[in-house]
Amino acid sequence: QQQVKQSPQSLIVQKGGISIINCAYENTAFDYFPWYQQFPGKGPALLIAIRPDVSEKKEGRFTISFNKSAKQFSLHIMDSQPGDSATYFCAASMWTNAGKSTFGDGTTLTVKP
Amino acid sequence: KAGVTQTPRYLIKTRGQQVTLSCSPISGHRSVSWYQQTPGQGLQFLFEYFSETQRNKGNFPGRFSGRQFSNSRSEMNVSTLELGDSALYLCASSLDGPLHFGNGTRLTVT
Repeated sequence: QQQVKQSPQSLIVQKGGISIINCAYENTAFDYFPWYQQFPGKGPALLIAIRPDVSEKKEGRFTISFNKSAKQFSLHIMDSQPGDSATYFCAASMWTNAGKSTFGDGTTLTVKP
Repeated sequence: KAGVTQTPRYLIKTRGQQVTLSCSPISGHRSVSWYQQTPGQGLQFLFEYFSETQRNKGNFPGRFSGRQFSNSRSEMNVSTLELGDSALYLCASSLDGPLHFGNGTRLTVT
């Protein structure tokens, strides 16, 4: 079964701290690994994504680390802010078939001021 | 550029009824996908349409169906509603790669 396993289910960090969310996938044909951020009442929105030709991608305070051999990838949020409090989903798919993405179960992040 | 628009935002239906949800993708996006989001199951893929053809299908019963029109707008239909169909239904459009989601239709089945 093509699953994406995400952990932890929930995460509480202090303002200024580092938030780390992990995902593991099974299908070696996957070559597109995005992270989506979802606020209550809204649909998920793309946060950052990585292709397997690189091991790390950084955009501002957000970094994806990718380990192809372990079939794992993670999201790091540096200097976490209360405005980062949201639900985060990892996903995996083929780049040319991203319409059929497999999502992790989500992580609810709470950043305390 | 306008985002993905889903209508209606909220629906309340009775068990056994049917429902139709609508999605207007971002202009130029020919792929439209539908996902069911529930607290217990996360985001589950329903189906994807590309140029009016169903390109992919998830593991949902035949009560769930969809279609795409020549202008890329898409509809999904659920017949013979069950209590377990209560969920947020999300539509997403894309070229390749990133999915662009609408804000969903919240369906409640009583």
